[in-house]
Amino acid sequence: QVQLVQSGAEVKKPGASVKVSCKASGYTFTSYGISWVRQAPGQGLEWMGWISAYNGNTNYAQKLQGRVTMTTDTSTSTAYMELRSLRSDDTAVYYCAREDESNRGGAFDIWGQGTMVTVSS
Amino acid sequence: DIVMTQSPDSLAVSLGERATINCKSSQSVLYSSNNKNYLAWYQQKPGQPPKLLIYWASTRESGVPDRFSGSGSGTDFTLTISSLQAEDVAVYYCQQYYSTLPFFGPGTKVDIK
Repeated sequence: QVQLVQSGAEVKKPGASVKVSCKASGYTFTSYGISWVRQAPGQGLEWMGWISAYNGNTNYAQKLQGRVTMTTDTSTSTAYMELRSLRSDDTAVYYCAREDESNRGGAFDIWGQGTMVTVSS
Repeated sequence: DIVMTQSPDSLAVSLGERATINCKSSQSVLYSSNNKNYLAWYQQKPGQPPKLLIYWASTRESGVPDRFSGSGSGTDFTLTISSLQAEDVAVYYCQQYYSTLPFFGPGTKVDIK
């Protein structure tokens, strides 16, 4: 079945970096984009950025520019999100989501299970 | 940037009654060339990722019960749950995907009265 499976929870110190993976299966990876969305404890959904699995083009939220990098490995159908210079307010659940432009115009139809990233000294 | 707002912040509805959630975008998300509204609704239950309910403002995702419906156009949209069930307790988010910055609304929490 179509699914996105993310890497496990991480605990990091302020100033460190974290890299979260998102492995796709059940569909042609390069036919869809991947967006990353985060959710701080008790808060709403914050879109972080997007990567085309076809050509690697990216688009990041302005507030994260310079700290975030999204990449893909088409040989393993895996997307990655790296966030650097971590701060306490980066503590959140991080989700990857498939962006279906062809059939749904870009709505996020498949979501990963989420990865908890805790930033604490 | 297109800013999304939702109302109310939360609501409590009796089982079997109607729940209505409103969503407003700061600019139109209607794409004139195909007459489609680039607006989606998601449901998120505690401890779970969001789930796509509605796209194109009014098209139900496969498997979504028909008590969920979406309506509206341009800048004003509504998600209606026609007969609230216990399993519908969740936070509901609207999202515009008209722009390259597909921001979400702040969410509306739905509970049982």
